[in-house]
Amino acid sequence: ETGVTQTPRHLVMGMTNKKSLKCEQHLGHNAMYWYKQSAKKPLELMFVYNFKEQTENNSVPSRFSPECPNSSHLFLHLHTLQPEDSALYLCASSQAEGMAYEQYFGPGTRLTVT
Amino acid sequence: GENVEQHPSTLSVQEGDSAVIKCTYSDSASNYFPWYKQELGKGPQLIIDIRSNVGEKKDQRIAVTLNKTAKHFSLHITETQPEDSAVYFCAASISKSTFGDGTTLTVKP
Repeated sequence: ETGVTQTPRHLVMGMTNKKSLKCEQHLGHNAMYWYKQSAKKPLELMFVYNFKEQTENNSVPSRFSPECPNSSHLFLHLHTLQPEDSALYLCASSQAEGMAYEQYFGPGTRLTVT
Repeated sequence: GENVEQHPSTLSVQEGDSAVIKCTYSDSASNYFPWYKQELGKGPQLIIDIRSNVGEKKDQRIAVTLNKTAKHFSLHITETQPEDSAVYFCAASISKSTFGDGTTLTVKP
């Protein structure tokens, strides 16, 4: 148990659906991250939030929309996805951004787009 | 930006043998080098890390070495056990981590 939880663990959605992934950390961290993990790119950084402010958007398509209402919660809103978006989506947290800290990862959400 | 290359992509060893995974990085400003282990169905978890002011660090059967001049660092696992089978990621960090592409380690009993 890393202190980072993700729900749901598995999600199947059609290309016209709208769904959200949820991440919660119980570690008192101030930075949270979304990663996409696929066979093509094993750990691809998508978004970074530091003290609830987005500090990085790694050229992610607008069909992925992150939300960070507070330092403990992070969401990834999904709409009109493509089959190539099928992947494992990992959330992580760390003490803060701006210095090199260990990242704590959740177990991921396995997303399948049909 | 930072670029991290990791080799080999797959590694198979017999139980009890040693395993070595190597990474190179491009940005000489990187100062933190963590290694993560990802088991099936789980997210990556830190197993050992090293900072740029240290050349080597050991924790029981695992060790990491860092050569800042050559910009490479390595993970060494001795006396491997089947439970060491997993995917291992290296990373190089300044303010954020850039990960290697991972090494799938299989330890055969």
